[in-house]
Amino acid sequence: DIQMTQSPSTLSASVGDRVTVTCRASQNIFSWLAWYQQKPGKAPKLLIYKASTLETGVPSRFSGSGSGTEFTLTISSLQPDDFATYFCQQYNLYPLTFGGGTKVEIK
Amino acid sequence: EVLLLESGGGLVQPGGSLRLSCAASGFPFSTYVMNWVRQAPGQGLQWVSGISGSGGTTYYADSVKGRGTISRDNSKNTLYLQMNSLTVEDTAIYYCAKGNALSGLVWDSWGQGTLVTVSS
Repeated sequence: DIQMTQSPSTLSASVGDRVTVTCRASQNIFSWLAWYQQKPGKAPKLLIYKASTLETGVPSRFSGSGSGTEFTLTISSLQPDDFATYFCQQYNLYPLTFGGGTKVEIK
Repeated sequence: EVLLLESGGGLVQPGGSLRLSCAASGFPFSTYVMNWVRQAPGQGLQWVSGISGSGGTTYYADSVKGRGTISRDNSKNTLYLQMNSLTVEDTAIYYCAKGNALSGLVWDSWGQGTLVTVSS
């Protein structure tokens, strides 16, 4: 199975900060990576797929980059609505696997 | 508007069975890959199973292979997951998720989830 490792596991930041979350795959997944946002008690929400394609309706302050085994999710200017947990997911090979999550907390 | 509504969760004893359902509306159900994803309390996300639009192709995580069966009834716009021989490790919120238009393997719509608790 492809292991997905996210870092950091927790991130403390302030409104307006630029935030970067990293996701590493245990083998080459090309650009077959998605990012999701999840708030407490809610289902995940798709933010980005194919490493850098923004899902319709997602604010442009979110961006994704990377290919192969290393990927990043960047929030250019953190907003109050962005405090949540973020998960990466590879879809290059079955079984589909997720990273452990990065919780973005208020500093 | 896409709506996915799961049902069928509850408390079940170890070794028991459950059938989860996901009623879909707001999109042409039969043309989309559907999946089940679960989340143990306070934990991360785990993909469980997926099924093609026709129902002819299915995929399973090793953790449920042999114990779980995904199916769909396109005439009823409903997705199912039959889970047998349940263990405490199956305790989780189970979400159904719709594949996006470009790939069935990323999910642009999710239900609210149904909680399965396996306990004696």
